[in-house]
Amino acid sequence: LAKTTQPISMDSYEGQEVNITCSHNNIATNDYITWYQQFPSQGPRFIIQGYKTKVTNEVASLFIPADRKSSTLSLPRVSLSDTAVYYCLVGGGNQGGKLIFGQGTELSVKP
Amino acid sequence: KAGVTQTPRYLIKTRGQQVTLSCSPISGHRSVSWYQQTPGQGLQFLFEYFSETQRNKGNFPGRFSGRQFSNSRSEMNVSTLELGDSALYLCASSLAQGIISYEQYFGPGTRLTVT
Repeated sequence: LAKTTQPISMDSYEGQEVNITCSHNNIATNDYITWYQQFPSQGPRFIIQGYKTKVTNEVASLFIPADRKSSTLSLPRVSLSDTAVYYCLVGGGNQGGKLIFGQGTELSVKP
Repeated sequence: KAGVTQTPRYLIKTRGQQVTLSCSPISGHRSVSWYQQTPGQGLQFLFEYFSETQRNKGNFPGRFSGRQFSNSRSEMNVSTLELGDSALYLCASSLAQGIISYEQYFGPGTRLTVT
């Protein structure tokens, strides 16, 4: 399983775009990159998943360079309600339903 | 479609007792995974069940066990509770239709306090 490295914390202000980068140097060929969001005392919530290039949905974009050794989660125009912990996970394929969560990035959005 | 439900939401037990937690996955989801979350260790994988079979297991002692029923509902059991078992226990479900999915849907968790 590829190890991931993310910043421990980030601060932002309402209305700004936030980019959280995750490093995963040992990503395997069949690994996907998945991001989750977690609010205090709640279960994590799936945000976005990608394999290469760019993926966009209604809440975020995921940018993955050609070498796939890193990925960037982009949250456009954050609000106070985006304050949460964001986890980057790498894996999939034949590894079973075993999500390995790192320490995550604690995003704090200020007014 | 109803989300993942977990019961009970809160539980207080004393050391040495045992506890059973229940999880009902999203309708149609056949894979159920369990996780333990503590401030010190973060989110840790316990085990995963698919079609009533344990398919994957994390690094937890044998006091932690689980099972899955034919309707995909799952239970986990912790015997001989220790203070360190105090945690938020999360259940997640996914479709897992042949391809292992990292898109899992988590329940609200059961907050277990061991005194």
